[in-house]
Amino acid sequence: KAGVTQTPRYLIKTRGQQVTLSCSPISGHRSVSWYQQTPGQGLQFLFEYFSETQRNKGNFPGRFSGRQFSNSRSEMNVSTLELGDSALYLCASSVGQSNEKLFFGSGTQLSVL
Amino acid sequence: GESVGLHLPTLSVQEGDNSIINCAYSNSASDYFIWYKQESGKGPQFIIDIRSNMDKRQGQRVTVLLNKTVKHLSLQIAATQPGDSAVYFCAETAGNQFYFGTGTSLTVIP
Repeated sequence: KAGVTQTPRYLIKTRGQQVTLSCSPISGHRSVSWYQQTPGQGLQFLFEYFSETQRNKGNFPGRFSGRQFSNSRSEMNVSTLELGDSALYLCASSVGQSNEKLFFGSGTQLSVL
Repeated sequence: GESVGLHLPTLSVQEGDNSIINCAYSNSASDYFIWYKQESGKGPQFIIDIRSNMDKRQGQRVTVLLNKTVKHLSLQIAATQPGDSAVYFCAETAGNQFYFGTGTSLTVIP
């Protein structure tokens, strides 16, 4: 069974630009969560999608948005990039029930210059 | 918000020794806990989990202990190997949203 796939692996953008990251969950998984990981803050929850609906949302500004498609694949978008958005963005999938483990992808390393 | 903290940011152990990584959590309603291992350049990898109706769970070379009275979680790694060098995170949840600690970096000295 293929794992969680995130693309691209690396991205370099400049301030003010926007970026779209992609995540393909494990087959059969309907929940996709996104996390931002920085050295000082650890993993910060962005949002979670289940069956194309945002089910949970973290405390990030509206510049961070996401969506999920009918095949459970998900994208997240960051508009008007800031230097502080430089981070590893991790996607995790699960079947979608409460209290079950998350399976993570390798992440997209975003650098904002 | 939730607070999941780790007692030590770094830990160095001799190869073959046992390692203990600790984690404190603040939400008494959390009922599911996971330990993840993250190697450089990779995403977090599931190690072991435990539900709040248990206080101990064992896996292959790993044991997780849960003390709900003091809201404390620990991960014990037996006979630590160089391949165990990584950052370890604890995570807690009371539903669909997980809260992660900042991680403990484990270095195994050959």
